[in-house]
Amino acid sequence: NAGVTQTPKFQVLKTGQSMTLQCAQDMNHEYMSWYRQDPGMGLRLIHYSVGAGITDQGEVPNGYNVSRSTTEDFPLRLLSAAPSQTSVYFCASSYSVREGTEAFFGQGTRLTVV
Amino acid sequence: AQKVTQAQTEISVVEKEDVTLDCVYETRDTTYYLFWYKQPPSGELVFLIRRNSFDEQNEISGRYSWNFQKSTSSFNFTITASQVVDSAVYFCALIPYGNKLVFGAGTILRVKS
Repeated sequence: NAGVTQTPKFQVLKTGQSMTLQCAQDMNHEYMSWYRQDPGMGLRLIHYSVGAGITDQGEVPNGYNVSRSTTEDFPLRLLSAAPSQTSVYFCASSYSVREGTEAFFGQGTRLTVV
Repeated sequence: AQKVTQAQTEISVVEKEDVTLDCVYETRDTTYYLFWYKQPPSGELVFLIRRNSFDEQNEISGRYSWNFQKSTSSFNFTITASQVVDSAVYFCALIPYGNKLVFGAGTILRVKS
């Protein structure tokens, strides 16, 4: 099993550019989420999904869009990149939030917006 | 409100010392789940342990042990005889029932040889 696959690993964007971070899992997990990690702030939830066709906002959703057309994929779109979005992004999936199962994480994407 | 507090921003110890990482959580739910994750310098997030709110039994796994106390809303993590390879950022996290995974700010552990 590949687990959670996140691409790309590194990306540099210019202010105003858009891009999509890809995330795929092959564990048939119902729950997927995106976090950003900034120094001293832990991991903050951007968006999450409890199943195909269902998404919701997390703690810091502004400037990001998501969709969940399949169980496997959960891409994160940056609409118009800003320097404040420079961060490390993690995608995660878990079998069930209701049952409190552990989350599996992708390798992370280090994004720099200049 | 759901919240996880890791008051220790950074801890430095010398190899073979014992070290305890503190975690205090807030939730109004009676059913919830607590976790610890490790993030080594390579950057990936590694799951260490999961506890549900009905299981207050402490757990030991090798040099790692966890102390869960509902009375003080704490879920502390102790590393016995620390090693350089334990150097990492450690995150405590909470899932209130049916809700989202919430992380603390993390504690940087530096183990010096």
